[in-house]
Amino acid sequence: RKEVEQDPGPFNVPEGATVAFNCTYSNSASQSFFWYRQDCRKEPKLLMSVYSSGNEDGRFTAQLNRASQYISLLIRDSKLSDSATYLCVVNMSVQAGTALIFGKGTTLSVSS
Amino acid sequence: DGGITQSPKYLFRKEGQNVTLSCEQNLNHDAMYWYRQDPGQGLRLIYYSQIVNDFQKGDIAEGYSVSREKKESFPLTVTSAQKNPTAFYLCASSDRQRETQYFGPGTRLLVL
Repeated sequence: RKEVEQDPGPFNVPEGATVAFNCTYSNSASQSFFWYRQDCRKEPKLLMSVYSSGNEDGRFTAQLNRASQYISLLIRDSKLSDSATYLCVVNMSVQAGTALIFGKGTTLSVSS
Repeated sequence: DGGITQSPKYLFRKEGQNVTLSCEQNLNHDAMYWYRQDPGQGLRLIYYSQIVNDFQKGDIAEGYSVSREKKESFPLTVTSAQKNPTAFYLCASSDRQRETQYFGPGTRLLVL
């Protein structure tokens, strides 16, 4: 069964707060992991890839736990512009290669 | 500028009508994808193509058809057999080596 699960939220936080999103995936064979950001009525855009050792990009930190099949995204010092839906994405093998499976997303609302 | 373009931005379909959504990319990507997104839902894969002149069904291919005659183009036809076509349609492409997918701006299809 292929599945990516996320808490849909919404997460309502004040500016400057730290917020964490979690994601679990069911396919233990998945090798690639990503976080995408989607603004209202727009296309998803790649936020960051998730590496086994964990990785950081400015205020954003992604972690991967393969044993628990769990991915996280931490946002520090939240900005109003961080308000969006965050999609957890994992790959899976399909007939002619690989495909990406998207979670339904976690909605973040940052207020002043 | 390199990127993915989709047209039209909005499309209206009458009952029993076939409509075609355009997707073009100049990123020199081998793989292209079509997704459907319904309100509050994740992206669901309709069709994908890893190379020219070859494509595979995704999870919800019924009522849709595609072609891949050129590397740059992957049009999607929504046929009259698709009984609930109202949705946000997203096209994506990726480099086969890197898997990261980049999305076009999407087409919103509405049924009159």
